This record gives sequence, structure tokens and C-alpha cells, in this order.
Amino acid sequence: DAGITQSPRYKITETGRQVTLMCHQTWSHSYMFWYRQDLGHGLRLIYYSAAADITDKGEVPDGYVVSRSKTENFPLTLESATRSQTSVYFCASSESLGGLAGSYNEQFFGPGTRLTVL
Amino acid sequence: TQLLEQSPQFLSIQEGENLTVYCNSSSVFSSLQWYRQEPGEGPVLLVTVVTGGEVKKLKRLTFQFGDARKDSSLHITAAQPGDTGLYLCAGAPGGFKTIFGAGTRLFVKA
Repeated sequence: DAGITQSPRYKITETGRQVTLMCHQTWSHSYMFWYRQDLGHGLRLIYYSAAADITDKGEVPDGYVVSRSKTENFPLTLESATRSQTSVYFCASSESLGGLAGSYNEQFFGPGTRLTVL
Repeated sequence: TQLLEQSPQFLSIQEGENLTVYCNSSSVFSSLQWYRQEPGEGPVLLVTVVTGGEVKKLKRLTFQFGDARKDSSLHITAAQPGDTGLYLCAGAPGGFKTIFGAGTRLFVKA
């Protein structure tokens, strides 16, 4: 099916374990993003990627690792999960739009992964 | 730290009422986006405003970008229960490092 998918949708893990959240998009969008959403903080950018093999830190990157070997996939790994990483994680993709006035992106979001770290 | 501040944080109104939510910043943005998010789902794009002073309409929703491109508003006319959700504004002050406001949670009672 076309679109952007995330897996798993729900995950419970323990402190110290490694967890990988998967994100797959079928639009061949250049840009992909990972956010976490917490009450009181809204959506905060963890990492983003402009193309395969190009990634950059967002607002809250500590404790997370990303890779982008293929355009369509952008996995997010928590190397050693902590309770503070309990959150809902959203993946998004976009293309670059606009022109002389400045480029911008309109993001398409996946359904989210609810992660609980015990 | 560049912020997008949204107000009000929460709004509960009766069906048929009008409402306005605001998104403000001290920084200039080349564009701002508005998204709506329903429980258990990811945000869905409503509109992008690009030009200072721009007004865009989407059925009963009217979006405005401030002349100085530091703020935006969303006005809903004759709200319906289907408008219930979390409304988020977003922008990228430089490059594609996007920031989101904390959102306005709207509840429309039938």
C-alpha cells in the first residue's frame, strides 16, 4: 500500500535494552523525520534526513541513532532505552517545495509508535 | 531558542460557534504549516501559508499569515463536532529543521 508506515505500533521494553522503530515510505520523498510527542511538549524533532546517507540532529537527539541506507527507510534506534524515552514516536516524509520565496516542506506522518520503557 | 507559541492551549465550544487560534513567534518564518491531529493518529496537513498577509480558505477554515511572517491564525466558522482535534502550527526557521507549536486542543460539543 502507498503511504508511510511505522512498525511496531506498540512496544513495551525494559530499561537498558536496544529498540529499533521502523519507518517506510513509498513516495520516494527525499526528506524524512523522526519526532517524539509528549504531553506538554508537543512534537519535538529527534533526527531528520535530506537524502539517503544524509542525516542531521534535531532538537532532542541524545540517546537515539538513525540511519538511511535506502531512500524509503529511516529506522530509529534507541541504543539503551531509558524511562524518559517513553513516548509516542512519529515518522514523517516530505519533498522540498517552493522556490525563490524560500523552500518549505509539507510533511506526511505515519500512524505513530507508542513506546513504553519500564 | 526559536519557539512557536500557540494559544489558547485548550478550547471547548458549542457546535455552531466561531473560534480563532493563534500561532506566534519572535522569529521570521518563510512559511508556516497548520496540521490537525486526531487521537491515535499522526498529524495531517491542512495548509501552508507562504506570503506575508496571505489568507487561505479551506471550507469553514480560514488561515492567515501575518504581514511580518512571525505569526499566523486559524479561524473556524460555525464549528462542528468533526472539527474536534489538536491543531498544530509548524515551521522551519532555517533549512528543514522543523519546529512545532504545543498545539491547541479543540473540543466541539454537539
